[in-house]
Amino acid sequence: ILNVEQSPQSLHVQEGDSTNFTCSFPSSNFYALHWYRWETAKSPEALFVMTLNGDEKKKGRISATLNTKEGYSYLYIKGSQPEDSATYLCAFVSNTGTASKLTFGTGTRLQVTL
Amino acid sequence: DTEVTQTPKHLVMGMTNKKSLKCEQHMGHRAMYWYKQKAKKPPELMFVYSYEKLSINESVPSRFSPECPNSSLLNLHLHALQPEDSALYLCASSRMGGVRETQYFGPGTRLLVL
Repeated sequence: ILNVEQSPQSLHVQEGDSTNFTCSFPSSNFYALHWYRWETAKSPEALFVMTLNGDEKKKGRISATLNTKEGYSYLYIKGSQPEDSATYLCAFVSNTGTASKLTFGTGTRLQVTL
Repeated sequence: DTEVTQTPKHLVMGMTNKKSLKCEQHMGHRAMYWYKQKAKKPPELMFVYSYEKLSINESVPSRFSPECPNSSLLNLHLHALQPEDSALYLCASSRMGGVRETQYFGPGTRLLVL
């Protein structure tokens, strides 16, 4: 059973704060790591697909880094806004030989208040 | 258009009922997925279809029966479910099922089994 862990479980920040969360995953048999943002009652929204050690990706105020040797990825949000409130999920990709499989972490629930 | 649609949004069924969940995408994707999410847990993979063929079944009980009648449509047939099957059922699709591809999710069907 793959162990994909995220911390913290939840986070409450003020508007304008910068924040970051962690995803830990197995460092062997690495193919890719996905980050998703999931707002209540909506579809999970893909943020990044990270594939190479040292990858850094950015989308607006959100960025992510990847360390496959030690098995972790960080997601950063700069200048948090109330609309950033969501659950952020990472997912470790396994290759079964016939298809790819995502194993999700338990998520970090972010709440941004005014 | 990166939309995956799922119907119905909500479903209540008895343990003797037969019902079906439907998922549709028009992105030309050839891989489609069913996930199950229980409260406060991450989504867990149930089935993967690749080019309309079942390629992964994560040891799901036979009371769940997937079907992929064409490349745009994925069904999940439900029969004789148990109350513990109550969950959010998410559908996703990706271009060909490769490990570096983004999976696009629908908003889910929330199922309650009485």
